[in-house]
Amino acid sequence: KQEVTQIPAALSVPEGENLVLNCSFTDSAIYNLQWFRQDPGKGLTSLLLIQSSQREQTSGRLNASLDKSSGRSTLYIAASQPGDSATYLCAVGDSWGKLQFGAGTQVVVTP
Amino acid sequence: GAVVSQHPSRVICKSGTSVKIECRSLDFQATTMFWYRQFPKKSLMLMATSNEGSKATYEQGVEKDKFLINHASLTLSTLTVTSAHPEDSSFYICSARESGNLAKNIQYFGAGTRLSVL
Repeated sequence: KQEVTQIPAALSVPEGENLVLNCSFTDSAIYNLQWFRQDPGKGLTSLLLIQSSQREQTSGRLNASLDKSSGRSTLYIAASQPGDSATYLCAVGDSWGKLQFGAGTQVVVTP
Repeated sequence: GAVVSQHPSRVICKSGTSVKIECRSLDFQATTMFWYRQFPKKSLMLMATSNEGSKATYEQGVEKDKFLINHASLTLSTLTVTSAHPEDSSFYICSARESGNLAKNIQYFGAGTRLSVL
């Protein structure tokens, strides 16, 4: 059974610092991996989607890497801003479309 | 971008009543929709996969008679929590997978429904 773990569970950084969020999964036979952002009491916003054949994806200040063989993905957020404060979730997808989520990393960026 | 509308955003009901939550894909067709449940400060747990025109597939441990799912059209899936009890209080989120983009397996999420059962 696939298990997805996110470390750390919470993270607080001063504005301007780079953020590094980690996600690990136990079964490397994934179809894709996604990173989401969730604001308190809200739904999910998709940030980046990495297909299993890809090693990284970039969007603006965000960069996500994927190493299937070691079962790891890392989300980098450059030059953090207070508006980046949220919970970040990673999810691995199988070929049926099902997503298995990690518990998330709660990020606070202080001005 | 693709939009998924989920309604209502919040509902408070008495124990024993049934609550229906709607999930609509506004600008795309979704053969498959997913329903998740999220407990406070926990991750999302997949409850069931809803397929248009057929019965939903429930995950292990999810009572199908408790959580009724109907996917009658390519743009609408509903989740009905029957005879709700306080332990059903949770945040429910739906997602929709675009029919024309199955290869990429991209899901778009609704804003969620906060259910509180008194």
